[in-house]
Parts: sequence; structure tokens; C-alpha cells
Amino acid sequence: DAKTTQPNSMESNEEEPVHLPCNHSTISGTDYIHWYRQLPSQGPEYVIHGLTSNVNNRMASLAIAEDRKSSTLILHRATLRDAAVYYCILRDPLGQGAQKLVFGQGTRLTINP
Amino acid sequence: DAGVIQSPRHEVTEMGQEVTLRCKPISGHNSLFWYRQTMMRGLELLIYFNNNVPIDDSGMPEDRFSAKMPNASFSTLKIQPSEPRDSAVYFCASRPYVAETQYFGPGTRLLVL
Repeated sequence: DAKTTQPNSMESNEEEPVHLPCNHSTISGTDYIHWYRQLPSQGPEYVIHGLTSNVNNRMASLAIAEDRKSSTLILHRATLRDAAVYYCILRDPLGQGAQKLVFGQGTRLTINP
Repeated sequence: DAGVIQSPRHEVTEMGQEVTLRCKPISGHNSLFWYRQTMMRGLELLIYFNNNVPIDDSGMPEDRFSAKMPNASFSTLKIQPSEPRDSAVYFCASRPYVAETQYFGPGTRLLVL
């Protein structure tokens, strides 16, 4: 499985944008970039995913570098409810073990009031 | 939709006892996953099923662990005999077969004394 590297923790203030980085220098051409988050005492929940182009949804935006070796999850206006561990995961839908999600340690995001 | 349902939510048992964790996936989802989360090892995939058939059980730690999916709406993860090192939060997730997103349940917090 291609690896991702994320900072262990980040801190931001409420109502400010948050940029969560993820490095994936060994990404293959068919790997999708997925982001999940896990709020305290809950199961992980899907945030967003993309392949090459930047993606937006109601929760966040995903900015993917042109060489695809890194990506950034953007929370446009963080709230206290966004405090969670954010996981960046690569998944190749065509590869062996295509249905697996391999979770790393993620980034623990703290939001200050 | 009620989402993925897991029971019990909390389980405390003594070493050597049999433990059965239960999961009801979202209706219509063809794939079901069992994960375990600990502080030391993070979130690990134990086993997953497609159309009720186990596809990959390489993450099952040892023979004490077994999982079944007798029908599309029910799965069990059994530990027999349980040991203190099995203490963890166990998550079940489901997904439509060709979809990208996994939906996680709230987890079962297991403590083996």
C-alpha cells in the first residue's frame, strides 16, 4: 500500500480556515486520495475523495498537487465540532485489496474557541 | 436510514470468556468490514465480506477470532477465549460494492479483565 504522511497534530481557531496537509510521494496513477475523520468516541466518517482534480463538497475541499504527491484538506470555516482526527488514505480501486482502507495515525485537529 | 448498527456498545468481560459482537449493515450495502482500534496500533482492518462471503481475513489476529455473515443484514465477530490484550474498540463498516465510501458504526468498546 502506498503510504501517506501527515502531521501528528494541528491547532486552529474557530471560524478560521484550516489546511490539513498530506504527503504521498509514492502514489500510483490509479490511487484515489480519501479523507476520513473521527470525532471523539465515534466511528470514522467520510469527508471527501479525489483523483486528480480539486474537489468540493459541503464538508470540505480537497486540493491535489499537480504531481499528485501531496494534497491538502481545507475546512473553510472551522467550528468546534470539526475537532477530530483526520486521516488521509490512498485507495486503488483496481489494485489488490482494492476494497481496503488502510488507516495511518492521522492528524489530530484541535479547534480553539 | 439508521446507519450501521452495532451491539453491544460496551462490553466488560473476564479473561477466558467468549465475546460476540454484532453488526447490522446499512440495507443494500454489499460489503461489510470489521476493524479494531487501539491506542498502540490505531485502526486496523480485521476482515471484510462481499455479498456475505469472507474475502480477506489476513488482519484477524489469531484463531481465537472468528467472523461470520450468515445473511446480508447481520454479521458477528467472536472472540473465544478472550484475553486482556483484546481490549479495544471494534468498528463495523459497510459499503455498496462499487462505491467509494465506507460507513462506520458507532463501535463496541470491549474491556477484558
